[in-house]
Amino acid sequence: AQSVAQPEDQVNVAEGNPLTVKCTYSVSGNPYLFWYVQYPNRGLQFLLKYITGDNLVKGSYGFEAEFNKSQTSFHLKKPSALVSDSALYFCAVRDGRGNNRLAFGKGNQVVVIP
Amino acid sequence: DGGITQSPKYLFRKEGQNVTLSCEQNLNHDAMYWYRQDPGQGLRLIYYSQIVNDFQKGDIAEGYSVSREKKESFPLTVTSAQKNPTAFYLCASSEDQGAVAPLHFGNGTRLTVT
Repeated sequence: AQSVAQPEDQVNVAEGNPLTVKCTYSVSGNPYLFWYVQYPNRGLQFLLKYITGDNLVKGSYGFEAEFNKSQTSFHLKKPSALVSDSALYFCAVRDGRGNNRLAFGKGNQVVVIP
Repeated sequence: DGGITQSPKYLFRKEGQNVTLSCEQNLNHDAMYWYRQDPGQGLRLIYYSQIVNDFQKGDIAEGYSVSREKKESFPLTVTSAQKNPTAFYLCASSEDQGAVAPLHFGNGTRLTVT
């Protein structure tokens, strides 16, 4: 079964500094990878996805993620963090062999310090 | 605006009572999902439906039931058999039954059972 690991519970970063949120995955077939963001007491919002093609994926709000097959990673990045980026970030993976279930990681709380 | 509406936002029930959470979407999506979110545990899949009048159990279906009589509606009933029902419940939909479309989430229902 597919699974996702988000090793850090919380990521603290100063405003204006680069932000990285780590994600590693495990699937049997080709991975379909997603990042979502959640603000307090709200649902998740889709940020970006990797299905195939270019390993660097650009998404909403200036976020990007790099797919690394050899390291089975899909880290989320933003060159310059904003205070408004403070939220809970979830990585998710689907098995590209047709299993429709999406496996979510536990989430990373990002705190951007003014 | 197209989207997913979950109601109510907050719900309080006494132990032993069944309760039904509403989820309506006007995105014309075929697939719909129910997730449960607990602090530090990410999202866990309760039930999903890929088409009207059909649904499948997710990873934690015990104590829950669903119906999918209409494409736009996917209500979740939390029964008295669910041992620990207090949680944040999220409904989602996606436009395809495969693996590539992102999920669209509602803003959740926070259920408290005492």
